[in-house]
Amino acid sequence: DAGVIQSPRHEVTEMGQEVTLRCKPISGHNSLFWYRQTMMRGLELLIYFNNNVPIDDSGMPEDRFSAKMPNASFSTLKIQPSEPRDSAVYFCASSLELGLAGNTQYFGPGTRLTVL
Amino acid sequence: KNQVEQSPQSLIILEGKNCTLQCNYTVSPFSNLRWYKQDTGRGPVSLTIMTFSENTKSNGRYTATLDADTKQSSLHITASQLSDSASYICVVTQAPRGSTLGRLYFGRGTQLTVWP
Repeated sequence: DAGVIQSPRHEVTEMGQEVTLRCKPISGHNSLFWYRQTMMRGLELLIYFNNNVPIDDSGMPEDRFSAKMPNASFSTLKIQPSEPRDSAVYFCASSLELGLAGNTQYFGPGTRLTVL
Repeated sequence: KNQVEQSPQSLIILEGKNCTLQCNYTVSPFSNLRWYKQDTGRGPVSLTIMTFSENTKSNGRYTATLDADTKQSSLHITASQLSDSASYICVVTQAPRGSTLGRLYFGRGTQLTVWP
């Protein structure tokens, strides 16, 4: 299995621009998670989906952030407009089980976003 | 207040030596506790997951312990190798018993460096 695939691996953009991060979960997995990691705040869960349905988006920092999962093999995290404080590494993870309790999550390599 | 505290913040050991990392939490209701290993520039990799009824779980040279009464967990690494150099992150799930929904609380991690 190829594991969780994220693209792009690196993104540099200017403040105010729209940014779209992409994720392909492991085939057959039923849950998908978006995380953000910074030196200041560590690792944070932004949103997660069960069977393509958003379950908890309470970690999404602002309305500028949105996430979609149109099908079981694809998800996007969009930031519009982007700001310098959005600079971080964004990870996507997937798991076979539903929800948070007791599941093993498999992380992608991350997208390093820099907003100038 | 729900929190996860890890110690030490950083640790340097010589190859072949053992070490123990600590994770204390105040999260309630407790569902499970995960230890992740994160190599520089890569996504976290799950080492162990423990529920309230599990005291010890091993994964190769990694052994995690959990004391649900004192709300403490430790990760013991035996016969360390250079490849163990990484950040180790403790994550606690808050969820009612039997529920797959909940919230994650993250420690800031322990940065381990193994010297030859």
